[in-house]
Amino acid sequence: SQTIHQWPATLVQPVGSPLSLECTVEGTSNPNLYWYRQAAGRGLQLLFYSVGIGQISSEVPQNLSASRPQDRQFILSSKKLLLSDSGFYLCAWSPFRRGRVYEQYFGPGTRLTVT
Amino acid sequence: QKEVEQNSGPLSVPEGAIASLNCTYSDRGSQSFFWYRQYSGKSPELIMSIYSNGDKEDGRFTAQLNKASQYVSLLIRDSQPSDSATYLCAVNRVTGGGNKLTFGTGTQLKVEL
Repeated sequence: SQTIHQWPATLVQPVGSPLSLECTVEGTSNPNLYWYRQAAGRGLQLLFYSVGIGQISSEVPQNLSASRPQDRQFILSSKKLLLSDSGFYLCAWSPFRRGRVYEQYFGPGTRLTVT
Repeated sequence: QKEVEQNSGPLSVPEGAIASLNCTYSDRGSQSFFWYRQYSGKSPELIMSIYSNGDKEDGRFTAQLNKASQYVSLLIRDSQPSDSATYLCAVNRVTGGGNKLTFGTGTQLKVEL
């Protein structure tokens, strides 16, 4: 079966500090990978989307970036955090199949507080 | 108009009753529809997917899709306190390409003893 891991689970960082969040998926090959942010009391905002190694699509221009150095590894980064970067960061994966859009499965998330 | 709209609630139902959660979407070309459950402080968990008009049942859950009305719903029979959570509706994006979903902001369900 497939599992998705995220770490760290919680993080408190000062404004202006760098960020690196990691996500790995087990039990599947060539998944589509996603980074979302969920601000308190708000919906899920898609940040980045990847269909393969080195292939990243950005949904929202901001001070965040993403990388996919390996097939099942997805990293979210920032050089300088802003207060507005606080939120619940979720990594998700979806099976790669041609045709219809398939379901996404979420990792446990990282709760980031920027102080 | 939001792409995916849900009543934020809270929707309160007594234990054992049927909870009915609704979602409307704006893009008539959408083909894939999902319901997720999210407990407070946790990540969303997929509970149902539906692709064709009509009903799809899985245990106590029934998803209903009406593409002509651009409407998808989730029924939870014999509601339990453990069903208390926020339910997110997700619909595939037609424009922009890729395997992407647009999520509603969710309906909070409270099942009362």
